[in-house]
Amino acid sequence: QVQLQESGPGLIKPSETLSLTCSVSGGSISGSYGSWIRQPPGKGLEWIGYIYYSGNTNYNPSLKSRVTISLDTSKKQFSLKLGSVTAADTAVYYCAREKGSGTYWFSDLWGRGTLVTVSS
Amino acid sequence: DIQMTQSPSSMSASVGDRVTITCRASQGIATHLNWYQQKPGKAPNLLIYAASSLQGGVPSRFSGSGSGTDFTLTISSLQPEDFATYYCQQGYIIPRTFGQGTKVEIK
Repeated sequence: QVQLQESGPGLIKPSETLSLTCSVSGGSISGSYGSWIRQPPGKGLEWIGYIYYSGNTNYNPSLKSRVTISLDTSKKQFSLKLGSVTAADTAVYYCAREKGSGTYWFSDLWGRGTLVTVSS
Repeated sequence: DIQMTQSPSSMSASVGDRVTITCRASQGIATHLNWYQQKPGKAPNLLIYAASSLQGGVPSRFSGSGSGTDFTLTISSLQPEDFATYYCQQGYIIPRTFGQGTKVEIK
């Protein structure tokens, strides 16, 4: 079955750019959105944004100025870049598939998550 | 943004108890409401979508109801594996937003 796996550096310095990749295996996510969601330690979930398999994107306005999500269909990957990070960006970052059923959308498949720590 | 507010934030319950968690949206979202379960160190797992549709593989003791602004997740008979944190999420508009979570602990 389709699986998602995040990869990228676990430690980055303040003001740098966080870069993560989500690799899709066992199938594809065509017809769905590839999402990024994060969770600061001990806190709740925050939606970062998503990309449709056609390449269209939508971002959380609270992060929009710093976020880019891109897609590499040949590699079956989608990626997250978050610029000018601070300690507040320390979190577990999840990639997920947002799937539609009629007019309803929900994240039915998640990666295991990767902890990114921002510290000098 | 649509604010999602869950209550309670935490609760203690015993195996076999009937558990109800509520979620309120700051504006009407019809039935575009999803519920997730998260265990420590794990990714969230989809339980319910479209307010009341059970995701495949999820036990039937989980059920969801509601529409508009008020929603409920019910666990009919709490099992040991159900001790976790539960999140609601609106799938109505962008940005997607989540409730703050409800932690269900063992009494």
